[in-house]
Amino acid sequence: GAGVSQTPSNKVTEKGKYVELRCDPISGHTALYWYRQSLGQGPEFLIYFQGTGAADDSGLPNDRFFAVRPEGSVSTLKIQRTERGDSAVYLCASSLTPETPQYFGPGTRLTVL
Amino acid sequence: ELKVEQNPLFLSMQEGKNYTIYCNYSTTSDRLYWYRQDPGKSLESLFVLLSNGAVKQEGRLMASLDTKARLSTLHITAAVHDLSATYFCAVFIVGGGGADGLTFGKGTHLIIQP
Repeated sequence: GAGVSQTPSNKVTEKGKYVELRCDPISGHTALYWYRQSLGQGPEFLIYFQGTGAADDSGLPNDRFFAVRPEGSVSTLKIQRTERGDSAVYLCASSLTPETPQYFGPGTRLTVL
Repeated sequence: ELKVEQNPLFLSMQEGKNYTIYCNYSTTSDRLYWYRQDPGKSLESLFVLLSNGAVKQEGRLMASLDTKARLSTLHITAAVHDLSATYFCAVFIVGGGGADGLTFGKGTHLIIQP
């Protein structure tokens, strides 16, 4: 079956702009996670959804970052007033339940100029 | 705060040799994962280890978990070039304090030379 998909694969934006990153999880997976991976580092947790609700957003770095999952499937990560330090690969993962393995998407490479 | 430490962070080895990557974590965990990442690619799940003494093997890779020592190892037997990649361990705590996502180590960048 189809895996986790993310769009766009690459996004280049200017400092101060607003961006949206989309994640389409594996069908039927109730748990959805966003991570951020900087060059040479392991992924860092941002936010976790169980169904439609954000069950844990403790990893979001500040209030410029926000994510939604209105129908319990597709999720959008939104970043306002982007800064150069936001440049990273944003990974989405989904799992059938919080206790089962997470499957990662290909990521969106965000570059803020 | 859960901390996950991998060592070594960089490893260059010759084909045919054996080596072990170590993953230490700082608090009791329900499960430990090993992932592989090729350059410019996403993460591929290798192993899920759920209990003390768990051992899993796939091809030339074998992972083990010692929950008492809070240590997992990834052992490579008779390495081949195709195993060159970055390997991450990640720890998950169900219902525990702190983040509900995976906490990753920094990764071990493995280069296997002919």
